[in-house]
Amino acid sequence: DIQMTQSPSSLSASVGDRVTITCRASQSISSYLNWYQQKPGKAPNLLIYAASSLQSGVPSRFSGSGSGTDFTLTISSLQPEDFATYYCQQSYSSPRTFGQGTKVEIK
Amino acid sequence: QITLKESGPTLVKPTQTLTLTCTFSGFSLSFGVGVGWIRQPPGKALEWLAVIYWDDDKRYSPSLKSRLTITKDTSKNQVVLTMSNMDPVDTGTYYCAHSRYDWNCLDVWGKGTTVTVSS
Repeated sequence: DIQMTQSPSSLSASVGDRVTITCRASQSISSYLNWYQQKPGKAPNLLIYAASSLQSGVPSRFSGSGSGTDFTLTISSLQPEDFATYYCQQSYSSPRTFGQGTKVEIK
Repeated sequence: QITLKESGPTLVKPTQTLTLTCTFSGFSLSFGVGVGWIRQPPGKALEWLAVIYWDDDKRYSPSLKSRLTITKDTSKNQVVLTMSNMDPVDTGTYYCAHSRYDWNCLDVWGKGTTVTVSS
């Protein structure tokens, strides 16, 4: 199985801050990396697919980068509605494993 | 508009078999498309369970493979997941999701169904 490791596990930030979350794969996954946002009690929502492609309807303050084993999700200016947990997922091979999540909290 | 909805029992006893149904609309299981199942124990991370594709290709989580079966009924627009020998650690929310044909990302999710395993 490909292991996905996110860092940090949690962070505190203020509205307007630039936030970066990293995800590392245990082996190369090319660009088969997706990012999801999950709010309490809700299903996850796809933000970024193919490492850097913005899903339709997702605000442009979200961006993704990376390839191979190292990936980054960036929120350019954190908004109140962005406080949530973020997960990366590799879709290169089965099982299509998720990272352990990064909780973004209000500072 | 693509929608998916999970259904099944909210409470199962240990050792019983869980059967969950994902009923979808707005797409058909045509070329490249898949439907996946993901679960989340309370307060924990997402766990990918299985996926079935348009051509009946099936993939399972290796750690659960012996307990999982995924099937599709194209005429009913349904995908069914069964999990045998349920244990309290299997308690959580179970989601189904549409898997895009190109990058295998999960682009539309159901709201999830909560399953509790308890005697």
